[in-house]
Amino acid sequence: GIQVEQSPPDLILQEGANSTLRCNFSDSVNNLQWFHQNPWGQLINLFYIPSGTKQNGRLSATTVATERYSLLYISSSQTTDSGVYFCAVPYGNNRLAFGKGNQVVVIP
Amino acid sequence: DGGITQSPKYLFRKEGQNVTLSCEQNLNHDAMYWYRQDPGQGLRLIYYSQIVNDFQKGDIAEGYSVSREKKESFPLTVTSAQKNPTAFYLCAVSVQGFNQPQHFGDGTRLSIL
Repeated sequence: GIQVEQSPPDLILQEGANSTLRCNFSDSVNNLQWFHQNPWGQLINLFYIPSGTKQNGRLSATTVATERYSLLYISSSQTTDSGVYFCAVPYGNNRLAFGKGNQVVVIP
Repeated sequence: DGGITQSPKYLFRKEGQNVTLSCEQNLNHDAMYWYRQDPGQGLRLIYYSQIVNDFQKGDIAEGYSVSREKKESFPLTVTSAQKNPTAFYLCAVSVQGFNQPQHFGDGTRLSIL
């Protein structure tokens, strides 16, 4: 199956700092999703981004499908950004492969 | 995400007992999914359904069963055959299939007494 690797695995940020999370995948894909799981376990779909760049408030994502990676940018981080960020890509016709996540802690 | 309701939030199972986790959606989406998440891990697919009265096994279906009698409902039963059921269970939906955005319920935490 397809391999999905996320880096860095853990990140501690001072409130107000910017950060970049990376997702590499081992095979061609036609879309990619980024999710945020908050400390209570709720998983929110942040971006559905096959290619190019999308922005949503302080978050933006860029996928370069030809080079098999995607980046998630967090600007002016807030404590509510804490949690785990997952990327996921489809493979076969009936699977979504998730990375192991980026654990982010934003300290005030 | 709004429109997807999982219940209960917490569930305890005794040895040898079957338990059923509920997932209901009012988004009129065709596809529904069950995932299992263990501490510090990503999500693993248990079962999925892309249409009413049809469902398929995922990667870790042993010890679980599902039904899809109505479009809005996709309950998951954790049977006594599942020897290590303690985990966080997440239900997701998408408009049709795996190539479209998935949206998740708030999850059910299952523990063994």
